[in-house]
Amino acid sequence: QVHLVQSETEVKKPGASVKVSCKTSGYSFSNYAIHWVRQAPGQRLEWMGWINGGNGNTEYSQKFQGRVTITRDTSASTSYMELNSLTSEDTAVYYCARDGPLLAYWGQGTLVTVSS
Amino acid sequence: DIQMTQSPSSLSASVGDRVTITCRASQSISFYLSWYQQKPGKAPNLLIYAANNLQGGVPSRFSGSGSGTDFTLTISSLHPEDFATYHCQQTYRMPYTFGQGTKVEIK
Repeated sequence: QVHLVQSETEVKKPGASVKVSCKTSGYSFSNYAIHWVRQAPGQRLEWMGWINGGNGNTEYSQKFQGRVTITRDTSASTSYMELNSLTSEDTAVYYCARDGPLLAYWGQGTLVTVSS
Repeated sequence: DIQMTQSPSSLSASVGDRVTITCRASQSISFYLSWYQQKPGKAPNLLIYAANNLQGGVPSRFSGSGSGTDFTLTISSLHPEDFATYHCQQTYRMPYTFGQGTKVEIK
């Protein structure tokens, strides 16, 4: 059974960085992509980017280009999403999701709060 | 970016009602449209992919239709557990944008 388990809640100050992990199990990590999606309070879901689990290729939404980095550790079947230069507008729940079909499996979400 | 617009933003319905939610894309996305159900405090759950394909384990009362720019999610007979927010998403071109969501509430 496919599972995606994310890291715990984070509280960060403006200007800081956050790194969220997404540990997967129940399938061959290299065979599927992992996407990252966020949901700010009262806002629509927002796709941030994705990583190919096999070759590590990434693509990011232009909105986050230069501020977000998605990586993977195939030995740990884990993907990471790092977001830099945080502002209050980055306060959101961050989700990872797996393909097969697109965004068929989701992590439980990680709340990131940015506050001084 | 491709803009996705859902209507209505919210609706009130009763158990047993037939419910229809629409999603419009700002340009043609062929059949690259997914629908998700989300309950408070939970991650979205994939219902429909490629416009009209039911994800495994999803009840058959859910169906999707459409192509090009106009799409529809239909719940043929609303069950108590269907009260939730529904999101559409285009997967035609990155960034894979979402609609603003439609909240289905109990009348």
